[in-house]
Amino acid sequence: ETGVTQSPTHLIKTRGQQVTLRCSSQSGHNTVSWYQQALGQGPQFIFQYYREEENGRGNFPPRFSGLQFPNYSSELNVNALELDDSALYLCASSPRESPTEAFFGQGTRLTVV
Amino acid sequence: AQSVTQLDSQVPVFEEAPVELRCNYSSSVSVYLFWYVQYPNQGLQLLLKYLSGSTLVKGINGFEAEFNKSQTSFHLRKPSVHISDTAEYFCAVRDTGFQKLVFGTGTRLLVSP
Repeated sequence: ETGVTQSPTHLIKTRGQQVTLRCSSQSGHNTVSWYQQALGQGPQFIFQYYREEENGRGNFPPRFSGLQFPNYSSELNVNALELDDSALYLCASSPRESPTEAFFGQGTRLTVV
Repeated sequence: AQSVTQLDSQVPVFEEAPVELRCNYSSSVSVYLFWYVQYPNQGLQLLLKYLSGSTLVKGINGFEAEFNKSQTSFHLRKPSVHISDTAEYFCAVRDTGFQKLVFGTGTRLLVSP
């Protein structure tokens, strides 16, 4: 059974560009959440997807959007990148039978210059 | 909205000494509580969780935590730390009615020989 995998591991983008981050959920997990972790901070909830629909959203602007696919993999899209978007982006998946437990991937380190 | 306070940003300790990392959360009717560990350039790994039942929770790597409802605390303890325990530790809370995790700002545990 594979864990949660994210790609790419590192990414450098220019201010104003768009970026797509990918997450492959752990087998059997139908809920995926995305978090942003700025340097020296705890992770902040961006949004969650369940059965391909957004199921909750944190305090992030609409330029942060996502998708969940039938195989439960997921994407995080960020438009019009700003310098403050530089952070570690973490994906977490949860199994249907234990929705309280979140399994995290290793993250994607995004640097906006 | 739920919030989590980790009172110590950094805790230095010598190898084989005991350690306590403090965590307080804002009050709610009922909550789920978690401790995660993050090693450099890694994602989050679940150490332990409190969902209900016994207030003393045992986790991986010899860690344990005690849920104290009256003091709204969930402190993490280990009787004897190892060099390999050097990492960032995050306390998190989840309302039973909501899916997102709310994290503290983290405590860096520094274990020296």
